[in-house]
Amino acid sequence: SAVISQKPSRDICQRGTSLTIQCQVDSQVTMMFWYRQQPGQSLTLIATANQGSEATYESGFVIDKFPISRPNLTFSTLTVSNMSPEDSSIYLCSVGGQRNQPQHFGDGTRLSIL
Amino acid sequence: EDQVTQSPEALRLQEGESSSLNCSYTVSGLRGLFWYRQDPGKGPEFLFTLYSAGEEKEKERLKATLTKKESFLHITAPKPEDSATYLCAVQASGNTPLVFGKGTRLSVIA
Repeated sequence: SAVISQKPSRDICQRGTSLTIQCQVDSQVTMMFWYRQQPGQSLTLIATANQGSEATYESGFVIDKFPISRPNLTFSTLTVSNMSPEDSSIYLCSVGGQRNQPQHFGDGTRLSIL
Repeated sequence: EDQVTQSPEALRLQEGESSSLNCSYTVSGLRGLFWYRQDPGKGPEFLFTLYSAGEEKEKERLKATLTKKESFLHITAPKPEDSATYLCAVQASGNTPLVFGKGTRLSVIA
């Protein structure tokens, strides 16, 4: 399975600032996914990032808050904008899920907002 | 709306004490049910995919089974290294997103 690297692994940020999370994959993939994992909650899909097209956002998530870039088939970024304490969470990048293949996850970015 | 409910939320076992984790689901046309293991500070690690009722998959001390309404993850003679959170997810037919349960936090005590 693909090796997925996320940066940073953790960060502590001030309210009102923005943070960009990077996801690098060791092979070319068509679809990349961004999830949020809040304490005690299920993994929730934020958006699907396809190379060469706009990201597709799930209900409850908007581009202004979570802009995504997908410049090539091995890399994507997720920005968490104008952060508030409610954005404190783990953000995970995932690839796969096509042709009956499972999705594989990076180790996530642990984000705390003060 | 597709839903996944996992039980129990937490389970504490003695080493060697076998048990089962439950994943109940409602989905409009199941494409696949997935089990993942998540260790603290790590992302979910894929364990199994099940596609149809009656299917079973095994890996070391773990065995996953599937019915039309639920899946079980059986753990036989667990060891402390099996301690982790186990996540269940379903995907409906088509290319819809995975829907995850909240997980079962398993602790195996030596």
